[in-house]
Amino acid sequence: NAGVTQTPKFRVLKTGQSMTLLCAQDMNHEYMYWYRQDPGMGLRLIHYSVGEGTTAKGEVPDGYNVSRLKKQNFLLGLESAAPSQTSVYFCASSYLPLYSNQPQHFGDGTRLSIL
Amino acid sequence: KQEVTQIPAALSVPEGENLVLNCSFTDSAIYNLQWFRQDPGKGLTSLLLIQSSQREQTSGRLNASLDKSSGRSTLYIAASQPGDSATYLCAKIQGAQKLVFGQGTRLTINP
Repeated sequence: NAGVTQTPKFRVLKTGQSMTLLCAQDMNHEYMYWYRQDPGMGLRLIHYSVGEGTTAKGEVPDGYNVSRLKKQNFLLGLESAAPSQTSVYFCASSYLPLYSNQPQHFGDGTRLSIL
Repeated sequence: KQEVTQIPAALSVPEGENLVLNCSFTDSAIYNLQWFRQDPGKGLTSLLLIQSSQREQTSGRLNASLDKSSGRSTLYIAASQPGDSATYLCAKIQGAQKLVFGQGTRLTINP
């Protein structure tokens, strides 16, 4: 059982380049989330999805787009990368909403550097 | 303004000691509070989740408490071991999809 898998694990981009981060979960979870983790800032929610075909903005959505075409996959896109987007990106999933006492399952992260 | 604060940012103790990690939060209107562990280069692993109606939760050597009135939660680790070395994060669940994290406490247990 793989759980939550993030691809790639590391990436270096130049300013202005675009890329897509892939998150895949094999637990049949409805809810999926993208976070970024920066030193001294904790984790902040970028976008989330409450089911296939749905997406919604989180706390820091600017500069990112997402898609949830298949239930098991949640894609995070950077259309024009900026140095401020250098961060560690985490994907998480859960079967029920957060208030239902079901914990989230996290991937191991994608370390992204924008030069 | 930091909604969830963890102090200290780093803590180093000898093996075998009991220790307490602190988490304070603004706005007592929370659903639940969750403690996570993060190992270097890894994602987060959920340790304990305390519902807003509960005062504490226990799992093995870990005990987490929640005091909504004072806006505080503590994670107590008994008989610490080197394998407990990690960063510990607390997060308050404020809504269906709103999880607000603290900055974490980096814990080192010295053999």
